[in-house]
Amino acid sequence: GNSVTQMEGPVTLSEEAFLTINCTYTATGYPSLFWYVQYPGEGLQLLLKATKADDKGSNKGFEATYRKETTSFHLEKGSVQVSDSAVYFCALSYFLPRQLTFGSGTQLTVLP
Amino acid sequence: EPEVTQTPSHQVTQMGQEVILRCVPISNHLYFYWYRQILGQKVEFLVSFYNNEISEKSEIFDDQFSVERPDGSNFTLKIRSTKLEDSAMYFCASRPITDTQYFGPGTRLTVL
Repeated sequence: GNSVTQMEGPVTLSEEAFLTINCTYTATGYPSLFWYVQYPGEGLQLLLKATKADDKGSNKGFEATYRKETTSFHLEKGSVQVSDSAVYFCALSYFLPRQLTFGSGTQLTVLP
Repeated sequence: EPEVTQTPSHQVTQMGQEVILRCVPISNHLYFYWYRQILGQKVEFLVSFYNNEISEKSEIFDDQFSVERPDGSNFTLKIRSTKLEDSAMYFCASRPITDTQYFGPGTRLTVL
């Protein structure tokens, strides 16, 4: 079956540090890939997505590239801020069915 | 900006009792979902709903669970006889014709 594996957390960084959160997936065919973020007390928000191989999703300084050869979708940001502290979820879905398969989430804490 | 809302934010119930979790999806969305996250575990798909019927469900979604869209705005998840292992955060999501799902803030269900 389909699955998503994320790096274990929690991750603690200083402000302006470089962030990488690893995500790999197991799936047949060509799923769409997503990063969702959950800020404290809030729901899951879409951060970025990519729908085909070599696509790069980007938003708010975060980037991730759909790598079919390594079945990966690693999240990166060049300079994190305290406000980026949240839980980050990698996920995949197919055109049909559309439900999301999530990774376990990675807690990020950014210290001033 | 429109958003998915969920009520209550926290529900405490006794084992064996029925609970109804409520969601108001974004008004022009067509597809509706319930997910849950047991503490410390992955976000798991429960059920999807389209055109007033269930379109997909996971093995978690057994006969104790049901969903309904009673009035064209609310989308509810009912658990008929709660078990201790139903304690989790329950997320509602909705989406338009595109593949991006929008999530609510979740309802924390505690079964005693």
